[in-house]
Amino acid sequence: DSGVTQTPKHLITATGQRVTLRCSPRSGDLSVYWYQQSLDQGLQFLIQYYNGEERAKGNILERFSAQQFPDLHSELNLSSLELGDSALYFCASSVGVLSQKGDTQYFGPGTRLTVL
Amino acid sequence: AQSVTQLDSHVSVSEGTPVLLRCNYSSSYSPSLFWYVQHPNKGLQLLLKYTSAATLVKGINGFEAEFKKSETSFHLTKPSAHMSDAAEYFCVVSAGNNRKLIWGLGTSLAVNP
Repeated sequence: DSGVTQTPKHLITATGQRVTLRCSPRSGDLSVYWYQQSLDQGLQFLIQYYNGEERAKGNILERFSAQQFPDLHSELNLSSLELGDSALYFCASSVGVLSQKGDTQYFGPGTRLTVL
Repeated sequence: AQSVTQLDSHVSVSEGTPVLLRCNYSSSYSPSLFWYVQHPNKGLQLLLKYTSAATLVKGINGFEAEFKKSETSFHLTKPSAHMSDAAEYFCVVSAGNNRKLIWGLGTSLAVNP
């Protein structure tokens, strides 16, 4: 158990809909990262937050957005869903922004999103 | 610029034989290197990490990796494969001022009885 929690575990929805995925980082971790893993794209970094502020952006679509709240939990919002958005969405957390050698990410169990 | 290459997308071994998963990296800075494992339908788990201490790093489940600067490699090994080792393995490099993580594409390990 990494200490990172994600809810829900599974989510099934229809095209055009909007969903929210939630992540709680490990106790003491200030950074949260979101990843998308699909069969054809592999593991894709989406976005990182540090202590409530957006820190880095990866391959995140404009239909997707995220935020980190004062209690450090984070939410990933996916809107106007398409079939291709079906994937496993992982959240990870780290103490800092990985600027310190040895700072590393710990991953949650993921949310499996199925868009029908 | 930093990059990481996992040289094999699929590796198949017999139970009880050695495992070698290869990873080469490119970095202008002194890197940190990680191996993660992902079992089917499970999340990603940190196997081991190198952060400029000992070049031979021991991880969980009997895995180890050796940092070879001259070869820019960080290959993952295990002396004897177990059926439960069947999973996807990812090599990751972190370097540069922002220590951004660069992920390899993964190596799928199959263990045959």
